[in-house]
Amino acid sequence: AQSVTQPDIHITVSEGASLELRCNYSYGATPYLFWYVQSPGQGLQLLLKYFSGDTLVQGIKGFEAEFKRSQSSFNLRKPSVHWSDAAEYFCAVGAGNAGNMLTFGGGTRLMVKP
Amino acid sequence: NAGVMQNPRHLVRRRGQEARLRCSPMKGHSHVYWYRQLPEEGLKFMVYLQKENIIDESGMPKERFSAEFPKEGPSILRIQQVVRGDSAAYFCASSPLPAGETQYFGPGTRLLVL
Repeated sequence: AQSVTQPDIHITVSEGASLELRCNYSYGATPYLFWYVQSPGQGLQLLLKYFSGDTLVQGIKGFEAEFKRSQSSFNLRKPSVHWSDAAEYFCAVGAGNAGNMLTFGGGTRLMVKP
Repeated sequence: NAGVMQNPRHLVRRRGQEARLRCSPMKGHSHVYWYRQLPEEGLKFMVYLQKENIIDESGMPKERFSAEFPKEGPSILRIQQVVRGDSAAYFCASSPLPAGETQYFGPGTRLLVL
C-alpha cells in the first residue's frame, strides 16, 4: 500500500528566508504527486502537481517541487517566504484501485516570523 | 466556473442523530471523492463515486456510513447514529477524469457531535 511521510510536523522560518518542506512517499509504480496548502478553517488549495516529464515543477505563489525517484522524495521549496505563507502543507500521492485515491501525509504546519 | 460546493459548512449533531453532508462538484466534473480529516491529522480517503456508482469505498467505515452520487443532484455522505468520534472535517473533491487527474477540494463540512 502507498504511504506518504512528512517528517516535519512544525517548521518556523523568518520572513524572507528560504523554505524546504520534506515529503517522502512509498508506492510501487510511478506516482502522481501533489502539494496542497490549507489555511485555518479552510479547504485545500492545489499548489502544484507532478505526473511525468520534467522533475522540477513550478506551482502557484512562487512554490516549486522536485521529484527525485532515487530518494522517493518530492520536496517543496520557496526561495523567499512571505508572512501569508503561514499555513499547513500537505503532500499527497495518487494511487488506489482506480488510480485516483489520494493518500496524504500528516502535514507540516509552517509558521513565519516577522 | 464555481468551485466545489459543500453544505452545510458547520453541522452540530447529538449522539445518535443522523448527519447528511452534501457536495456539488465543479461543473463538468463527474468524479467525486470524500475525505475525512480528524483533528490535528491529515486527510484520509473514504470513498470515490461516479454518477450512480460507487467505484472505491475502501476507506469507508463498515457501519453507519454510506455515500451516494445520484444521476441528478449533489453527492451525499450520510452518517447514521453519530458518535463523538465522528467529529471531524469532511472534505469533498471532484475531478473531470479518473486516474491521476487533479482533484479540486471544497471548503469542507465541520461536524461536531455533542
